[in-house]
Amino acid sequence: DAGVTQSPTHLIKTRGQHVTLRCSPISGHKSVSWYQQVLGQGPQFIFQYYEKEERGRGNFPDRFSARQFPNYSSELNVNALLLGDSALYLCASSFSSGAEAFFGQGTRLTVV
Amino acid sequence: GESVGLHLPTLSVQEGDNSIINCAYSNSASDYFIWYKQESGKGPQFIIDIRSNMDKRQGQRVTVLLNKTVKHLSLQIAATQPGDSAVYFCAENIGDYKLSFGAGTTVTVRA
Repeated sequence: DAGVTQSPTHLIKTRGQHVTLRCSPISGHKSVSWYQQVLGQGPQFIFQYYEKEERGRGNFPDRFSARQFPNYSSELNVNALLLGDSALYLCASSFSSGAEAFFGQGTRLTVV
Repeated sequence: GESVGLHLPTLSVQEGDNSIINCAYSNSASDYFIWYKQESGKGPQFIIDIRSNMDKRQGQRVTVLLNKTVKHLSLQIAATQPGDSAVYFCAENIGDYKLSFGAGTTVTVRA
């Protein structure tokens, strides 16, 4: 029974570059949320998508964007990477926007 | 500042003892709270949740208590086991199940 899958698991980027992170929700789940977890802190909400529409956005700059596809998978894009963007990026899926969220293993992004 | 926070960043507990992890929140309008467990290298794992119309909820070896008067949440783990060693987060629903997490408490179980 596949859970939330994220790819890649790890990657290293240089300052100023762009990155795309991917998430496949649990089968049947229509809502995907993205969180950023800096080392030693709790996850911080970035985006929530439901039925391909943005339902919420956290306090992140416009360099962060996301989208959800017809198959409910999602991408998180970050432009003009900064050293401070280094973090674990978590994707969570839920059946609807008001249901329990299940998290993936995350993508560890390191910006050098 | 953060709307959800934990009282203690670390907790060391003897195997077999009970653990209590505390959490304070500031938004009195919050209606849903969740406890997550995060092991090293993994994403947060759902433990138990509670809605604001309840004071207590029990799961397997875990109990969550909600005191709305003082805006306090606690997670009790019975008969703590080595596999319970992890970082524990409380999270608060800030609307449409977007979650606000605290900084986490690291629980270490001593053999």
